[in-house]
Amino acid sequence: AQKITQTQPGMFVQEKEAVTLDCTYDTSDPSYGLFWYKQPSSGEMIFLIYQGSYDQQNATEGRYSLNFQKARKSANLVISASQLGDSAMYFCAMREGPRGGADGLTFGKGTHLIIQP
Amino acid sequence: DAGITQSPRHKVTETGTPVTLRCHQTENHRYMYWYRQDPGHGLRLIHYSYGVKDTDKGEVSDGYSVSRSKTEDFLLTLESATSSQTSVYFCAISGSGLARRDEQFFGPGTRLTVL
Repeated sequence: AQKITQTQPGMFVQEKEAVTLDCTYDTSDPSYGLFWYKQPSSGEMIFLIYQGSYDQQNATEGRYSLNFQKARKSANLVISASQLGDSAMYFCAMREGPRGGADGLTFGKGTHLIIQP
Repeated sequence: DAGITQSPRHKVTETGTPVTLRCHQTENHRYMYWYRQDPGHGLRLIHYSYGVKDTDKGEVSDGYSVSRSKTEDFLLTLESATSSQTSVYFCAISGSGLARRDEQFFGPGTRLTVL
């Protein structure tokens, strides 16, 4: 079974609209972290936002917020007021184990977001 | 931006030849990782290091070896490259001890083509 599932291979959104990118995860570890990364066409991986499994509040970073629903095992990324520069691949990832550990990330297959003017 | 460099950035090689990719960091992060990215698969962990000379296998470690003789450098070696190892390789670092968000910072990537 996949540990990270991103069900939207591609999305088209009008500029200035809000965007929700879906991510569900599967783990039996009570301690884990969830991440979103952006990969523009230039290829670099840009960290966007992090949510720890014990964090009480949903994470926010500027225009990015993470809608964390622990019981449903979902960690959707919300981008408010989308901009043309938001066009990119977006990856959801998970690290199992306590914060500060060495474990690597498990990535989903990504969502290709295209913002239209 | 985290100080992570990868070399070479692009390489074309032939099947059966050995290849070594280098990751260098200036951030003194404890942990280092190698991932590969292929269409339809996202990024997958190859090997990681939790300290100097301490390494472990990831999800797709077959055909790869790693070494870390000092904190700054993490080497990925393909002993005998195959066409299935054509991919983009990313190095990442984490574990500064100060990070409250536990994120991994990624290098710029190395595009490897095995003919």
